[in-house]
Order: sequence, then structure tokens, then C-alpha cells
Amino acid sequence: AAGVIQSPRHLIKEKRETATLKCYPIPRHDTVYWYQQGPGQDPQFLISFYEKMQSDKGSIPDRFSAQQFSDYHSELNMSSLELGDSALYFCASSSPQTGNTEAFFGQGTRLTVV
Amino acid sequence: KNEVEQSPQNLTAQEGEFITINCSYSVGISALHWLQQHPGGGIVSLFMLSSGKKKHGRLIATINIQEKHSSLHITASHPRDSAVYICAVRSPRTGNQFYFGTGTSLTVIP
Repeated sequence: AAGVIQSPRHLIKEKRETATLKCYPIPRHDTVYWYQQGPGQDPQFLISFYEKMQSDKGSIPDRFSAQQFSDYHSELNMSSLELGDSALYFCASSSPQTGNTEAFFGQGTRLTVV
Repeated sequence: KNEVEQSPQNLTAQEGEFITINCSYSVGISALHWLQQHPGGGIVSLFMLSSGKKKHGRLIATINIQEKHSSLHITASHPRDSAVYICAVRSPRTGNQFYFGTGTSLTVIP
């Protein structure tokens, strides 16, 4: 069965560079959530989208932006990268059509900023 | 105060032992997830539960909605089960965002 696909799986960037992370939800899922998990830390909610519109915003830095496209995939754009941005970034997808009980997680993109 | 509490935080077991990890939550939920994370690895979804019990191989997950409690059981544990196990719940109260437990670090010794 198709799962939530994230790309790339691993990414190494230098300070002040930019990065783009992608999340492809389960087919028919129209909601995407982004989370950041620093080393040894709990996941932190960044932002979510429903039907291509931002639905909620968490602790996402101003240097980051995100959007959801017409095919429902989402991209997290990160600029002026800092060492502290090194983390696992994972997304989850769901749909209110399934009563919000069904959700799937991507494996995540491990970003290392050097 | 954490909306999701897991216990134990750390667990060491001998290979072959039966393992139980517990998760209690304080919010109304639409679903509960058990996730696995190996050191330096990504997220692997193990179970998604809204009621009852699910089994996949040596893994069993149960949930009691009235008691707001879920358990993850591993039968005949193996060193490759060594990982962090995370309980996550979705709450309609917060736009169906996820609340995460702090994880249970499991080490299975050969």
C-alpha cells in the first residue's frame, strides 16, 4: 500500500544555505502536518495544511515557509540555515473524509546543518 | 503537564522476554498511534488505533478509550526491537494535531 513519502531521506547543508523538504501524502489525503524533532527532543509542531490552505501554525521560524500544492504534496522551505536546524523533519497526512481517525506518518528527512 | 505520558521511560530486557509499554493520555482523541524510531533513523508507524486491539507479527497494541490508556506489547523480544517507541494521539480539540509522548527507549540484550 502507498505510504507517506518524504524526500530526501537525508540532507546535509552548510550554514546560511537553503533547503527544501518534500512530503507526498497518502492518495486522497488532503491534510498535511509538519513536525521537527531535534536530537533527544520531542517532536514540535511546525505547520499544517488542509486543501492547499494553511490550517494551523506552530513553532515555525520566520526563516521557514511551507505550502501545499494542487496535488496535495507539501514543501517545507528553509532559508538561512542554522546549526540548530539540524533535526528530523517528518510529516503526517490525513483527511477529514475519513473522520480524522486515519493518519499516516512519513519516515522523515534527517537534516544536518554543518 | 504532558497530555501524553509513557512508561517506562527506559526499558532493558533479555531476548525472548515479553515487553509492555504503556501510554496514558488526558485529552479526547480521534486516534492513537504507536511509532518506532531507531537511533538516527526515521519514523516507522506501527499501529493506528481508535478502539480495541491490533496485532502485527510479534507486536500487539490495545486501547481502552474509557480509561484513556493504551499498551504496546512485544512478544518474544529480539535485539532488533531495540528502539524508541513513541505514543502519539490526535485530538479534535486542537485541529487534530498530534500530541507525542516522550518515548520509551527499549534495549533488548541478546
